[in-house]
Amino acid sequence: QQPVQSPQAVILREGEDAVINCSSSKALYSVHWYRQKHGEAPVFLMILLKGGEQKGHEKISASFNEKKQQSSLYLTASQLSYSGTYFCGTPSQNFVFGPGTRLSVLP
Amino acid sequence: EAQVTQNPRYLITVTGKKLTVTCSQNMNHEYMSWYRQDPGLGLRQIYYSMNVEVTDKGDVPEGYKVSRKEKRNFPLILESPSPNQTSLYFCASSPGTYPDNQPQHFGDGTRLSIL
Repeated sequence: QQPVQSPQAVILREGEDAVINCSSSKALYSVHWYRQKHGEAPVFLMILLKGGEQKGHEKISASFNEKKQQSSLYLTASQLSYSGTYFCGTPSQNFVFGPGTRLSVLP
Repeated sequence: EAQVTQNPRYLITVTGKKLTVTCSQNMNHEYMSWYRQDPGLGLRQIYYSMNVEVTDKGDVPEGYKVSRKEKRNFPLILESPSPNQTSLYFCASSPGTYPDNQPQHFGDGTRLSIL
């Protein structure tokens, strides 16, 4: 079962904040976040392994709520370089990714 | 340089003509995987391998074959390609036998068009 991501797309101005959510109908044991720029391969951002865990990467951080079976990615003071599609993924019987959230940061 | 290398990067072919997309990694990773990416559907796993000679189906294995005879190589075989296999394909690898707590490293992708 593929995780659900929201929103599908978001447009920001430089310096604004955004939140991307990832949820699953099945139990989540870990959540992985990747960013893919147009025409490029997905690039690893972070893994959250424990319920309630928060991690950070540049001004991007994430939380993981095991009980609610969801994770959120927080982009603070967004930069032009943050533009791309963000995917959450989780190991299940096989590895499954969400459909992605397209983020556009405008000057 | 540590990398996952896919070939070819682009391929246009015709229905029914067997093709192989190669994938090689130089990081001594145990886990390798193939994904296809289609608009609005994200990355969907085709097959994965946890070790040499060990492969298993992902979510969309129909029409594909794989083999893992050596640790570094994980080719994707389309024995009788059809137009619905037109897609962007990514190979990935991860250090452990399963990427539950370790990242996956992706190749640059292969854009496949089947006419």
